[in-house]
Amino acid sequence: DQQVKQNSPSLSVQEGRISILNCDYTNSMFDYFLWYKKYPAEGPTFLISISSIKDKNEDGRFTVFLNKSAKHLSLHIVPSQPGDSAVYFCAASVSDSWGKLQFGAGTQVVVTP
Amino acid sequence: KAGVTQTPRYLIKTRGQQVTLSCSPISGHRSVSWYQQTPGQGLQFLFEYFSETQRNKGNFPGRFSGRQFSNSRSEMNVSTLELGDSALYLCASSQTSGLTTGELFFGEGSRLTVL
Repeated sequence: DQQVKQNSPSLSVQEGRISILNCDYTNSMFDYFLWYKKYPAEGPTFLISISSIKDKNEDGRFTVFLNKSAKHLSLHIVPSQPGDSAVYFCAASVSDSWGKLQFGAGTQVVVTP
Repeated sequence: KAGVTQTPRYLIKTRGQQVTLSCSPISGHRSVSWYQQTPGQGLQFLFEYFSETQRNKGNFPGRFSGRQFSNSRSEMNVSTLELGDSALYLCASSQTSGLTTGELFFGEGSRLTVL
């Protein structure tokens, strides 16, 4: 049962433009959400997170938006850079189980010059 | 500060054998989690250890087991290997469990191939 879903397996965006990655979840118990980035042959690296008490969190070029009523979150990358080309995973957890993340299937982002 | 270290990075086993993977967390991190990544199933949670105790367990058969030592280093073991166990096994550590933000730091993984 996939509790975290990333329905777009791939996204192509031009350098300098905005990348928008989407994620949906089904478990209303989730109260913490994270985005990870992964290059081939490397482990995922943490990008940005958001608690369920917020609806937006910003860190440099990365902004995560959370819509609890729709059980939907999105990651905005502005402006997109060639180094952003990677697989992006959405993940969710429940308080007091930080080590147990439910991951989405990932979205492959390709930033073209 | 050294990152999460996993050994071995690559290994090949045959069906029926068993394998042990090792993970050294970031210094000071007491929580260690294990994940399996396969093309078909994505990243799936195996188990989480905190202070030598298993806190959470994913939906994997009993052939998958783990433990954590007093120095926070962790090992996972897979017995009676099956072809479907071929995967990238990722270890992640975090500073505490349950009290602060849930950022996990991942290692580069151990790539297991079962023939």
